[in-house]
Amino acid sequence: GQQVQQSPASLVLQEGENAELQCNFSSTATQLQWFYQSPGGSLVSLLSNPSGTKHTGRLTSTTVTKERRSSLHISSSQTTDSGTYLCAIEGSAGNKLTFGIGTRVLVRP
Amino acid sequence: EAAVTQSPRSKVAVTGGKVTLSCHQTNNHDYMYWYRQDTGHGLRLIHYSYVADSTEKGDIPDGYKASRPSQENFSLILELASLSQTAVYFCASSDVDWGSSYEQYFGPGTRLTVL
Repeated sequence: GQQVQQSPASLVLQEGENAELQCNFSSTATQLQWFYQSPGGSLVSLLSNPSGTKHTGRLTSTTVTKERRSSLHISSSQTTDSGTYLCAIEGSAGNKLTFGIGTRVLVRP
Repeated sequence: EAAVTQSPRSKVAVTGGKVTLSCHQTNNHDYMYWYRQDTGHGLRLIHYSYVADSTEKGDIPDGYKASRPSQENFSLILELASLSQTAVYFCASSDVDWGSSYEQYFGPGTRLTVL
């Protein structure tokens, strides 16, 4: 089945630093979604980016579909960015997401 | 803003007992999903549904049943709860994918502990 690998597994930042999270997937993705999971466990969709580059606030995602990879860039990190970032893809089966384990981010003040 | 709610938010169940987790969405979405999340694993799809009165098996359906009595409601049923089903369960909804970009919207999760 499809596999989604995220790196690094964890990351510690000083407030104000930038970070880049990686997502690699094993088969063609028709949809790719980045999520933020808070330390309390709630899941929030950050952006949907099956191909190309998308921006929202301090986040930029770049997906290169042919190379089966996506990145999420966090600029000027804040302590409230601490949590886990999940990458999920939808393959050819349609409307079903396969998730990576996530990258745990800690931003220190 | 799209809304997916789950009940209960947490539950303690006994081994062998029956557990029902409920999900309600006000997004007018056709698709609904149940995932479980365990430490060290990504979210894994248990069951999903694309229309009322019909459910489909996801990647890990064993030990679970699902029910979609209406477009808004989707339940996950554990007929005989087992210790291995201790996890956090998330419900989600999404619109029909007509080839354009879509997103899944998640509920707050239900923490289930089976003793």
